[in-house]
Amino acid sequence: EAQVTQNPRYLITVTGKKLTVTCSQNMNHEYMSWYRQDPGLGLRQIYYSMNVEVTDKGDVPEGYKVSRKEKRNFPLILESPSPNQTSLYFCASSLSPQGDEKLFFGSGTQLSVL
Amino acid sequence: DAKTTQPPSMDCAEGRAANLPCNHSTISGNEYVYWYRQIHSQGPQYIIHGLKNNETNEMASLIITEDRKSSTLILPHATLRDTAVYYCIVSVRTGANNLFFGTGTRLTVIP
Repeated sequence: EAQVTQNPRYLITVTGKKLTVTCSQNMNHEYMSWYRQDPGLGLRQIYYSMNVEVTDKGDVPEGYKVSRKEKRNFPLILESPSPNQTSLYFCASSLSPQGDEKLFFGSGTQLSVL
Repeated sequence: DAKTTQPPSMDCAEGRAANLPCNHSTISGNEYVYWYRQIHSQGPQYIIHGLKNNETNEMASLIITEDRKSSTLILPHATLRDTAVYYCIVSVRTGANNLFFGTGTRLTVIP
């Protein structure tokens, strides 16, 4: 089944403890992206990747890192999480960076930073 | 990318057509209109998109006005499972695929 898989689904951590949220897609998509969703703010893009080894900042990249060493994986890294990064995170992918391609989203990761 | 304006909420009776409006008066000629929806806290789901012509698929129909400044998503026979937040987005065809999700329209289908 074609899908975007995120793990974990829920994560509770403490301030400053490094964490990684994994994202994997099995559709051979070139484009991958991370979003965070907060009440009243909609979805905001954190980072995106046009292809392997090609990443770029989105609208809210501060405090996050990403890597794209393989086409299928696009992990989101929080080196030193802070409470303002408590949010619902979504990974997404599409076949190409072309704007008329639809995005496929993962099920989300609810992160709480205490 | 052009911004969109949607009503914050709408109700629809089960079995009736749900018509969700979207204004995008600053849309440019190469921008597509996309619709996604998000059920509760699940990942957004693609519904449909179009450039100029009206479009229809198994989920919905998209009606784009001739001047392209507004559009309407139509769910022909709304069910309780269609209760969700619906996002209208405009985006260019090329370049970074950054779809700007606003706060959307919360559609509640009433039994």
